[in-house]
Amino acid sequence: NAGVTQTPKFQVLKTGQSMTLQCAQDMNHEYMSWYRQDPGMGLRLIHYSVGAGITDQGEVPNGYNVSRSTTEDFPLRLLSAAPSQTSVYFCASSVSADLPRYGYTFGSGTRLTVV
Amino acid sequence: GEDVEQSLFLSVREGDSSVINCTYTDSSSTYLYWYKQEPGAGLQLLTYIFSNMDMKQDQRLTVLLNKKDKHLSLRIADTQTGDSAIYFCAESSGAGSYQLTFGKGTKLSVIP
Repeated sequence: NAGVTQTPKFQVLKTGQSMTLQCAQDMNHEYMSWYRQDPGMGLRLIHYSVGAGITDQGEVPNGYNVSRSTTEDFPLRLLSAAPSQTSVYFCASSVSADLPRYGYTFGSGTRLTVV
Repeated sequence: GEDVEQSLFLSVREGDSSVINCTYTDSSSTYLYWYKQEPGAGLQLLTYIFSNMDMKQDQRLTVLLNKKDKHLSLRIADTQTGDSAIYFCAESSGAGSYQLTFGKGTKLSVIP
């Protein structure tokens, strides 16, 4: 039982490049989300999904796209990387958006540097 | 919008108790959580408390909730060097709320 798996763990991009951060969970969780963590800023929600085919924007969605074609996978796409997107990205899932009792299960993060 | 505030740093000696404090603004908060983040790792759920509870104890961890003052605290008894980490307070407004709102985190340093 792997929980939430994020790949890659580390990535360096050049300004203007695009890439996809992968997130997969094997717990049949309905709810999945992407956060970014920056020093002194805590965690900020980028996008989230309450089920396959359903996505919505969080607090800081600009420059990112998501899709949810299966329950298991929730990739985050950077369309044209900018230095301001240098951050640590976390994927999190929960059994249901309507049952927050158990909080989220987090992946181990992707550390992205844009030069 | 909702806001969750925490002090950024706390330093304690090994064996002492640690108390990490958090205040929140959303009066409809239903569940409140404490997460732990060790260096280079993701966040790990430590404990949660439902808003109709005043206290929850789990081994060395005690969570106190003052709903009137919107104040949450996490007490760690007999603090060990392995407790050194960043601790995040988070709140959820319950059913139909899709988001957790996190504080900025308190970095706990345990001095041997």
